[in-house]
Amino acid sequence: AQSVTQLDSHVSVSEGTPVLLRCNYSSSYSPSLFWYVQHPNKGLQLLLKYTSAATLVKGINGFEAEFKKSETSFHLTKPSAHMSDAAEYFCVVSGDNNNDMRFGAGTRLTVKP
Amino acid sequence: AAGVIQSPRHLIKEKRETATLKCYPIPRHDTVYWYQQGPGQDPQFLISFYEKMQSDKGSIPDRFSAQQFSDYHSELNMSSLELGDSALYFCASSPGFGYQETQYFGPGTRLLVL
Repeated sequence: AQSVTQLDSHVSVSEGTPVLLRCNYSSSYSPSLFWYVQHPNKGLQLLLKYTSAATLVKGINGFEAEFKKSETSFHLTKPSAHMSDAAEYFCVVSGDNNNDMRFGAGTRLTVKP
Repeated sequence: AAGVIQSPRHLIKEKRETATLKCYPIPRHDTVYWYQQGPGQDPQFLISFYEKMQSDKGSIPDRFSAQQFSDYHSELNMSSLELGDSALYFCASSPGFGYQETQYFGPGTRLLVL
């Protein structure tokens, strides 16, 4: 069965500095990978998705992620953090012949002024 | 653009009561998924439907049941509620069936069981 591991439960950056949220996945098949963001008391918003096309995926709000099969990673990056980026971020994998998604434990991003 | 609609947004019930959560998918989406997110937890997959038939089943308790209707909306029925059922329940929809489909999430229904 597929699974994801988000390597950091909490990341803190200063406004204007780069963001790196790490995610490793496990899947028997070629997976689909997603990053979702959840602001406090809000629903889940899709940032970007990878489905075996280009390995560098660009998403909304300046985020991007690179699929690295050799490292089984799908890290999320952003060149310059904004205060509004403070939220919980979930890495999600889908595959292994079923369509349910497995969420990582989440990474809480804090952005300091 | 139309999004996934969930109702009610908030629900307070007492132990042993029943609750029904409704989900209206994005128009022309034929697949619906239900997730449960406990406090400080990641969302856990409960169940999904494709073309009104159950397609996958996750960690859904036997006390819960769900179905998808002819208009593609879905209802999650929860009986004999327990304190531990207090959570945020998300519905998501996708335009097809398969692991490459993007799931679009609704705002969630926050259930509090007292």
